[in-house]
Amino acid sequence: GQNIDQPTEMTATEGAIVQINCTYQTSGFNGLFWYQQHAGEAPTFLSYNVLDGLEEKGRFSSFLSRSKGYSYLLLKELQMKDSASYLCAVGGYQKVTFGIGTKLQVIP
Amino acid sequence: DVKVTQSSRYLVKRTGEKVFLECVQDMDHENMFWYRQDPGLGLRLIYFSYDVKMKEKGDIPEGYSVSREKKERFSLILESASTNQTSMYLCASSPSQGAWTYEQYFGPGTRLTVT
Repeated sequence: GQNIDQPTEMTATEGAIVQINCTYQTSGFNGLFWYQQHAGEAPTFLSYNVLDGLEEKGRFSSFLSRSKGYSYLLLKELQMKDSASYLCAVGGYQKVTFGIGTKLQVIP
Repeated sequence: DVKVTQSSRYLVKRTGEKVFLECVQDMDHENMFWYRQDPGLGLRLIYFSYDVKMKEKGDIPEGYSVSREKKERFSLILESASTNQTSMYLCASSPSQGAWTYEQYFGPGTRLTVT
């Protein structure tokens, strides 16, 4: 099975950088996903890491270390609209397991 | 743009009723999924399907069944709704290569209340 841990809540200031960590234990691994979910809306796909290292996509970057079972999502130049939950998810055989999510509040 | 649609945004049903939740995707994806999302518990997989007429139980299949008669459509059925099935239900689809799954595209969700 899969076990995924991420902080429940974080607060950061507009314009700053925030790092959201995710650790996982898995019996099968096909990549690490990050999703963004605004309140009352469906999750939307942000990033996918299958190899170790950093993947950069605009203001968002995601890092993976498979040997450590560790990933983080880095958000730069925070904007108010980045206030949302960020879900870490581990891909396995035929399905994906989601963490509970980290609720990020961006304050002025 | 990938489009996943769900039949209702909000639904109110009575205990014991049979409930159908429909999901349609337009991207010719092989894999489709049904989740429920509850505060403090996150997204939990109910059932998934990797091909027409194929279905697999997820982590919490009790009290639910599914149907996939066409590739683009995946239905979730609550045979006899109960109050503990009050939740947000999310459908998703995903391309695949073999048995592995990739990024998922979610529908807008159905908030079901069972009274």
